Amino acid sequence: GESVGLHLPTLSVQEGDNSIINCAYSNSASDYFIWYKQESGKGPQFIIDIRSNMDKRQGQRVTVLLNKTVKHLSLQIAATQPGDSAVYFCAFTGNQFYFGTGTSLTVIP
Amino acid sequence: DTGVSQNPRHKITKRGQNVTFRCDPISEHNRLYWYRQTLGQGPEFLTYFQNEAQLEKSRLLSDRFSAERPKGSFSTLEIQRTEQGDSAMYLCASSLTGQGGEQFFGPGTRLTVL
Repeated sequence: GESVGLHLPTLSVQEGDNSIINCAYSNSASDYFIWYKQESGKGPQFIIDIRSNMDKRQGQRVTVLLNKTVKHLSLQIAATQPGDSAVYFCAFTGNQFYFGTGTSLTVIP
Repeated sequence: DTGVSQNPRHKITKRGQNVTFRCDPISEHNRLYWYRQTLGQGPEFLTYFQNEAQLEKSRLLSDRFSAERPKGSFSTLEIQRTEQGDSAMYLCASSLTGQGGEQFFGPGTRLTVL
């Protein structure tokens, strides 16, 4: 079956520092790799995605890196802010849609 | 509000009862997805529709679960003969074909089976 794994369940960073959230996956046949953010009591919110034929994609304060050789995906958040505190999920598309178990990011003021 | 809406937001039911949830996607979105999420876990894919056609169903979707999207707009998810293990947050999302991995999620329906 498919699997998506996250290396660390929790991450604490100082406000203003950069955050890196990692994700490992097992299925190579995916079109897109995606990062979602979920705040307490809300549905997941799309952050950024990357197509499988790309290695890097940048958004506003976020960068996603895809290493298909080692099947690893990461999300980098620059200048982390208190509003970034949430659970972050990696996900990927196949015939279905798969989410990891999540990393809880806490930003310390 | 033009986002994805779900009703009801909360449902408490007794074991063995049937429940039905509704999802209204963003109006121009042709794809609609259902997920289940339990505490501390990521959303688990259940099924998705492209317009009115149900294209994929997870093995998680037992015979007690059925989803419909009869006119390609809103969708319903019915759970028959609910069990305590069905207690979870049921999330709906919608997207447009060609939007890559971006889905827009609703706030979810929290089901508690007593």
